[in-house]
Amino acid sequence: GAVVSQHPSRVICKSGTSVKIECRSLDFQATTMFWYRQFPKQSLMLMATSNEGSKATYEQGVEKDKFLINHASLTLSTLTVTSAHPEDSSFYICSASGAYQETQYFGPGTRLLVL
Amino acid sequence: LAKTTQPISMDSYEGQEVNITCSHNNIATNDYITWYQQFPSQGPRFIIQGYKTKVTNEVASLFIPADRKSSTLSLPRVSLSDTAVYYCLVGVPLSGNTPLVFGKGTRLSVIA
Repeated sequence: GAVVSQHPSRVICKSGTSVKIECRSLDFQATTMFWYRQFPKQSLMLMATSNEGSKATYEQGVEKDKFLINHASLTLSTLTVTSAHPEDSSFYICSASGAYQETQYFGPGTRLLVL
Repeated sequence: LAKTTQPISMDSYEGQEVNITCSHNNIATNDYITWYQQFPSQGPRFIIQGYKTKVTNEVASLFIPADRKSSTLSLPRVSLSDTAVYYCLVGVPLSGNTPLVFGKGTRLSVIA
């Protein structure tokens, strides 16, 4: 099956700093990528949808100026958490799909801890 | 997107068959039913997808009655490694370009 990677797998940062998370499709071209967030013992919640070369579409309640998403190529999307705070600590998961794929392939997730 | 309802948790012994039922009373004509599996600290993994009747792959079977208002994921002879959260999703249409809406899922615990 299609492979999606994320980097880093976990990151610890100080409050007020920015953190960038990368999502890569390794063996297919991802025309669409999604970013989800998951708090402990809870389900995944969609944050935003990004199409290659276009601005991301954010879900209601997600601050686009805080969570910057870039999908500049067909194999890479990045999520930057700007001025991170402890409440941003969570598990961030991306998924990707190609133009003719009928399902999404998820990355392994990135655990962010903001101190 | 149709709302889904699943049991919050289930326990099973190793070697048993596990059936997880999902209710989706408001499923639309074009909706497909998809199940994902998620291990702790990992991204969800696609298990199976179906539209009606029965679908089987090397991992599981999916049973969908004629009215399609529910579906049952069947895991044959579970092992400890099947301990995970299982999510039932319904989409219109469920394609790679459609955002997935995850419900609370069913936490399956397999006991030795």
